[in-house]
Amino acid sequence: AQRVTQPEKLLSVFKGAPVELKCNYSYSGSPELFWYVQYSRQRLQLLLRHISRESIKGFTADLNKGETSFHLKKPFAQEEDSAMYYCALSQGANNLFFGTGTRLTVIP
Amino acid sequence: KAGVTQTPRYLIKTRGQQVTLSCSPISGHRSVSWYQQTPGQGLQFLFEYFSETQRNKGNFPGRFSGRQFSNSRSEMNVSTLELGDSALYLCASSLVQTPYEQYFGPGTRLTVT
Repeated sequence: AQRVTQPEKLLSVFKGAPVELKCNYSYSGSPELFWYVQYSRQRLQLLLRHISRESIKGFTADLNKGETSFHLKKPFAQEEDSAMYYCALSQGANNLFFGTGTRLTVIP
Repeated sequence: KAGVTQTPRYLIKTRGQQVTLSCSPISGHRSVSWYQQTPGQGLQFLFEYFSETQRNKGNFPGRFSGRQFSNSRSEMNVSTLELGDSALYLCASSLVQTPYEQYFGPGTRLTVT
């Protein structure tokens, strides 16, 4: 059965410090993984997907099939990065399975 | 383009009643997915509709149902409400070409008393 685990419910880092939000998954097929973000008083939105291998707002995420991980990283955290981050796995074209989320707080 | 809209935004119902929630996708988006968000379970997939047909369904009881109209607008219905159905119900739409990029609505906050 598929499972997405985000072990940290809360994560606080100082501005300018590196940040890593952890995501581990369990899936029998070939996974498609995503990071979604929800800023305060905004809607949930796609941040990045593993296939694109691009950097969005300074964030990157590498799919490690050996460790079944898809951690989200940014070298220098900014205050505007404070938000709720969800790791998600696609079970089919339009069927997203979400982790429980990590609330990131960047301390000025 | 206008974003995904959901009505009503807030709803209070009593146990045993039924409720219908509405979602209007972004113009041109033909796929609509529904999710339930609760503090305990997080975001859980309910079902997805495309061209008026349910394509995917999550692990929810039959009390949860939905439909999609020819203009891609979607409704979900919950019958015989239980206290545990209190949640934020999110609707998301996407393009056929980029199904993974789901655009979420603001949600409908349902409280069952």
